Amino acid sequence: DVVLTQSPLSLPVTLGQPASISCRSSQSLVASDGTTYLCWFHQRPGQSPRRLIYKVSNRDSGVPDRFSGSGSGTDFTLKISRVEAEDVGVYYCMQNSHWPPWTFGQGTKVEIK
Amino acid sequence: EVQLVESGGDLVQPGGSLRLSCAASGFTFSSYWMHWVRQDPGKGLEWVSHVNNDGSVTNYADSVKGRFTISRDNAKNTLSLQMNSLRAEDTAVYFCVREWWGIDYWGQGTLVTVSS
Repeated sequence: DVVLTQSPLSLPVTLGQPASISCRSSQSLVASDGTTYLCWFHQRPGQSPRRLIYKVSNRDSGVPDRFSGSGSGTDFTLKISRVEAEDVGVYYCMQNSHWPPWTFGQGTKVEIK
Repeated sequence: EVQLVESGGDLVQPGGSLRLSCAASGFTFSSYWMHWVRQDPGKGLEWVSHVNNDGSVTNYADSVKGRFTISRDNAKNTLSLQMNSLRAEDTAVYFCVREWWGIDYWGQGTLVTVSS
C-alpha cells in the first residue's frame, strides 16, 4: 500500500504570509498511464473536505489562485501564497495512482498565530 | 449542483448491522465511480470502499473486507453500504464521495457509533 507522510502536522501561520505543506509518498505516484494522481483537500472544522488541487497542480473550480500544488515522483507540496483567515483547518493529500487502497496523508492542521 | 446526501447512521451495538444510503443529484450518477470514506471523530480520513460506474467492480479496505458490502442503483441514483459485524473501531462519520481525477465531491457525512 502507498503511505503518504505529511509534514508538518501542525502549522501556525501569520495572516498574509506564505505557508507550505509537504506530502511524501512511499513509492512513486506515477501511474501506469504516466499520470500522477495526487490531490489536496481542505477541511474546515465541522465541514466536509473540499478538494483544492487534483493531478498534482490543477486547481479545482472556484479555488483561489493563492493555492498552488507542485511536485513529482514521491515529493509533493501545497503552497498558500498569502494565508487568509478562511484558510484555517486541516489539509490532506490523497493518492489514487496505485489502488486499491486509495490512501490519504495524516493531515496538517493550519492555524493562525 | 452536485449533491451527495447520506443517511442511515445510528447508534448500534457491537456485532450489529447498519445500512447507509447516499442520494446523488446534480450529475450523471451512472458515469462516475463512487466511494465511501470514513473519519474517526477528530481524526484523519480512511478510504473504506469503491464501486465502479456500473457496479461490476468493487474494492474494500482490509479493515472492512468480508463485513461491508458496497452497491449502487443507477436507476435511483443511490449508493449504499451494508455494514455487518460492526466493531467499536468502525465508529466514524461516513462520507459518500464521487471520483473524478481522484475524489472530488463529498457529502456531509452520517455518523455511525458502535457501542454497547
